Order: sequence, then structure tokens, then C-alpha cells
Amino acid sequence: NAGVTQTPKFRILKIGQSMTLQCTQDMNHNYMYWYRQDPGMGLKLIYYSVGAGITDKGEVPNGYNVSRSTTEDFPLRLELAAPSQTSVYFCASSNRAEQYFGPGTRLTVT
Amino acid sequence: QKEVEQNSGPLSVPEGAIASLNCTYSDRGSQSFFWYRQYSGKSPELIMFIYSNGDKEDGRFTAQLNKASQYVSLLIRDSQPSDSATYLCAVSPGGSNYKLTFGKGTLLTVNP
Repeated sequence: NAGVTQTPKFRILKIGQSMTLQCTQDMNHNYMYWYRQDPGMGLKLIYYSVGAGITDKGEVPNGYNVSRSTTEDFPLRLELAAPSQTSVYFCASSNRAEQYFGPGTRLTVT
Repeated sequence: QKEVEQNSGPLSVPEGAIASLNCTYSDRGSQSFFWYRQYSGKSPELIMFIYSNGDKEDGRFTAQLNKASQYVSLLIRDSQPSDSATYLCAVSPGGSNYKLTFGKGTLLTVNP
């Protein structure tokens, strides 16, 4: 099992550009999550999904969108990138509260 | 706002010593408690979870939970330089069995 995979590993965006961060899990987990982590801060929940077709906002959803068409995939869309979205993004999955994380995407918006 | 508080550190201990990491939480209804280890530049890795009051041991790691005091801790015995990392406390809020609230983490340095 690959677990949770994320692409890309690194990305530099210009202000106003858009992009999609990809996340795939092969553990047949129902729940999937997107977090961002800024230096010295904990993990902040952006969006989460409890199953295919069902998503909900987390603590910091503004500027992001998600979809979940399959159990395996949970892409995160950034529209009109802003410098405040410079961060490390982690995708995670779980069947209960124990969450397992992907390797992360380091995003810089300049 | 449900909160999880940790000392940011850094906590510095000599090799072979016991490292004690602490966490408090505000939601009395919290059910599940987790410790994640995060090496610099890497993703969080689950190392321990505890659901009931008391101690839970796994190798060199012991998680301790006191729900009355809203306090959870992680003890690392015989600390090794490879234990140097940031340790994140995470709590599953009451009413949710799948969402977690994370603390900001404690940086642990184990000196050879």
C-alpha cells in the first residue's frame, strides 16, 4: 500500500493563478482531510469529506474548494492564489479518528 | 473555540533521559487523544493514541490521560537523538469521531 500520496511536492504560483493539489489514498478510508501548516503553527483544517460526494468546510476554507467524486481522490483547488496561501498543505485520511498523512505539498505564492 | 495547548519548547534532554511532553485541552467532551511526531520537513506520523483514563505503553512511549484535569502527556523513555522532532498533540472533539484539533506542537531536542 502506498498510503496517502500527494502531488506536486513543491509549487511556486504567481498571485492570481489557480492550481489543484492532488491527493489519493489506497486504504479504502471513508474520511479525507486537507490541512495547512504555517511555521510555528499547528495544523489548520481547510476542508474534509466523510465519503464520496460529501464535503464540508473546516476552520480555514476561504480561498479553497474541494470535490470528492471517488473514495480514493480528494483534490484541493486554489482559485486566485494569494500570498496568504503560502504554506505546506497536508492531505490525510482515516476510518476513525486516527488520521494518516500524505507527504505534503509546499506551496509558495509570489 | 475548542483549543489544544502545548508548550512550544524547545524541550532539551540528554540522551538516555526521560522526555515529558504535555498537552491540555478545553473540550470536556473529547473522547480520543493522539500524539503525532513530525520531523523537520516531513509529515506528521501517528505514534500513540489513548481513549481511557490512565496509562498506555508502547515500547519506549507512554501516553497518560487524565480527563478530569483535561490533560494528556507523552513520556519517552531512554530518549535517543532520533527522537528529536516536533510532537503534536491532537484531540477528537466531543460529538465527532473523525475530526481532530491539533496543538501547535512541542519541539524536542535530544542531545547526544
